[in-house]
Amino acid sequence: EAQVTQNPRYLITVTGKKLTVTCSQNMNHEYMSWYRQDPGLGLRQIYYSMNVEVTDKGDVPEGYKVSRKEKRNFPLILESPSPNQTSLYFCASSPWLAGGQDTQYFGPGTRLTVL
Amino acid sequence: ILNVEQSPQSLHVQEGDSTNFTCSFPSSNFYALHWYRWETAKSPEALFVMTLNGDEKKKGRISATLNTKEGYSYLYIKGSQPEDSATYLCALKTSYDKVIFGPGTSLSVIP
Repeated sequence: EAQVTQNPRYLITVTGKKLTVTCSQNMNHEYMSWYRQDPGLGLRQIYYSMNVEVTDKGDVPEGYKVSRKEKRNFPLILESPSPNQTSLYFCASSPWLAGGQDTQYFGPGTRLTVL
Repeated sequence: ILNVEQSPQSLHVQEGDSTNFTCSFPSSNFYALHWYRWETAKSPEALFVMTLNGDEKKKGRISATLNTKEGYSYLYIKGSQPEDSATYLCALKTSYDKVIFGPGTSLSVIP
């Protein structure tokens, strides 16, 4: 089954304790992206990757890191989480299609609470 | 910072009513527009891809139109059903690699 998986689905942690949220897709998609969703603000892009070893900042990259060592995986790293990073996080992927035809496939989401 | 707006923020309609909502964007930054449907406790799923001025797309009772010159897209739902209850997101692609989501319109269909 074609899918995007994220782990963990729920996480409660404390300020300053490094954490990683994993994201994996089995569709051989070139493009992968991380979003956070906060009430009233919609989905805001954190980082994205066009392909292996190619990453770029989205609109809200502060406090986050990513890596793309393999095509299928795109982990999100919070080196020192803070309470303002409490949010619902989505990973998404899409194939490279010309002309903007590339809609995204979303993972199930990770609800992160930083105390 | 580019802004994609959606209106209304939320909508409550009776079963059987038809409804529509709007996505507005800066026309000078248009590359493509995507509509997504996001049901509670699930993940967003793509509905439509719109790339050309005057595009009209349809899927069952849901359709969408696009005006790139004035910077808006409409989503229409004919004869709303309770299973149409969801948040509808539009996403503006400003280039091959940049996408900006609107805040969404939350639709509740009352049986």
